[in-house]
Amino acid sequence: KQEVTQIPAALSVPEGENLVLNCSFTDSAIYNLQWFRQDPGKGLTSLLLIQSSQREQTSGRLNASLDKSSGRSTLYIAASQPGDSATYLCAVTHGSSNTGKLIFGQGTTLQVKP
Amino acid sequence: GAVVSQHPSRVICKSGTSVKIECRSLDFQATTMFWYRQFPKQSLMLMATSNEGSKATYEQGVEKDKFLINHASLTLSTLTVTSAHPEDSSFYICSAGQGARSPLHFGNGTRLTVT
Repeated sequence: KQEVTQIPAALSVPEGENLVLNCSFTDSAIYNLQWFRQDPGKGLTSLLLIQSSQREQTSGRLNASLDKSSGRSTLYIAASQPGDSATYLCAVTHGSSNTGKLIFGQGTTLQVKP
Repeated sequence: GAVVSQHPSRVICKSGTSVKIECRSLDFQATTMFWYRQFPKQSLMLMATSNEGSKATYEQGVEKDKFLINHASLTLSTLTVTSAHPEDSSFYICSAGQGARSPLHFGNGTRLTVT
């Protein structure tokens, strides 16, 4: 059974710091991995999507890496800002095709202090 | 960009009543939509896959007679929580995608409180 774990559960950093969020999954047979942002009481915003054949994706200050063989992904946030404060969720599509069914980690709640 | 709209954003109902939640893809057609549930301080759990023109597929442990799903058109899926109880209080979120290699887009969720 595929399980997704995110560490740490919570993180607080001062503004301007670079930071890394970690995601691990137990079964390397994934179709893709996606990072989302969730603000309190809100839905999810897709940040980055990495296909199983890719190693990383970048968007602005965000960079996500994927090491499928070791079952790990990281989300790197450069020069963090207070507006980055949110919960970040990692999710995988398990299997060899895009079923659209996502298995989520518990999330990392980030607080960036001004 | 692709947008998924969910309505209502918040609903309070009495125990025993039914509540309908709508999920719409605003600028694309979605043959498949997904319904998730999120309890406080927990992650999202997939409840069911909504298929346009056919029956929904439910995940293990989700009661299909309690959570009725209808996907009558390519842009609309509805989730009806029947005979709601306080333990059904949760955050319900739908998602839809534009294709095999596109990211999934999520609605803003519906906060259901059953009193």
